[in-house]
Amino acid sequence: DADVTQTPRNRITKTGKRIMLECSQTKGHDRMYWYRQDPGLGLQLIYYSFDVKDINKGEISDGYSVSRQAQAKFSLSLESAIPNQTALYFCATSAGVILSYNEQFFGPGTRLTVL
Amino acid sequence: ELKVEQNPLFLSMQEGKNYTIYCNYSTTSDRLYWYRQDPGKSLESLFVLLSNGAVKQEGRLMASLDTKARLSTLHITAAVHDLSATYFCAVTDSWGKLQFGAGTQVVVTP
Repeated sequence: DADVTQTPRNRITKTGKRIMLECSQTKGHDRMYWYRQDPGLGLQLIYYSFDVKDINKGEISDGYSVSRQAQAKFSLSLESAIPNQTALYFCATSAGVILSYNEQFFGPGTRLTVL
Repeated sequence: ELKVEQNPLFLSMQEGKNYTIYCNYSTTSDRLYWYRQDPGKSLESLFVLLSNGAVKQEGRLMASLDTKARLSTLHITAAVHDLSATYFCAVTDSWGKLQFGAGTQVVVTP
């Protein structure tokens, strides 16, 4: 059962192109997150949203934007892709502190290559 | 600023032996998480530790939390090949966001 889905799973694009990564969830969680993972490194938070009307920048938001279209959907855009944005991108969701200790559940990831 | 440090970053294990991964964090937090990641795959939640002295066990893995020392350990008992993966710890900051450690890559060999 794919509670958190990401599309596309793999994407190759060229420098300067605008691309969008999409995340959908069926867990009913209010909180959603976008992370970036570079080889051999941990996860860095790009943007997060605690509900539909709440969007916040994370550690590395420059060059990225997001849209929370609905409780279940959270999209990440690269306005003008550059090679150092080549990475593995993860979407995650959580129900928050009270309901689930803020445990985060991750999607399968999108491998993005910018040439 | 919350910082999370794991060590070692790489751990070569022999099957059947016991090992420990350490996770230190810099500021007070009451929640610590351990995740597992197989190569090219997503992160799978292993444990959520909620209070000082918390201990959780699943199979050959046991995690503990000492909030006073700001330290969590992930102990692996009698390592087997299936445990080869990268293990991450993460700590909740005051805003409810997770700060991840760099991960410990574990390779188990016969």
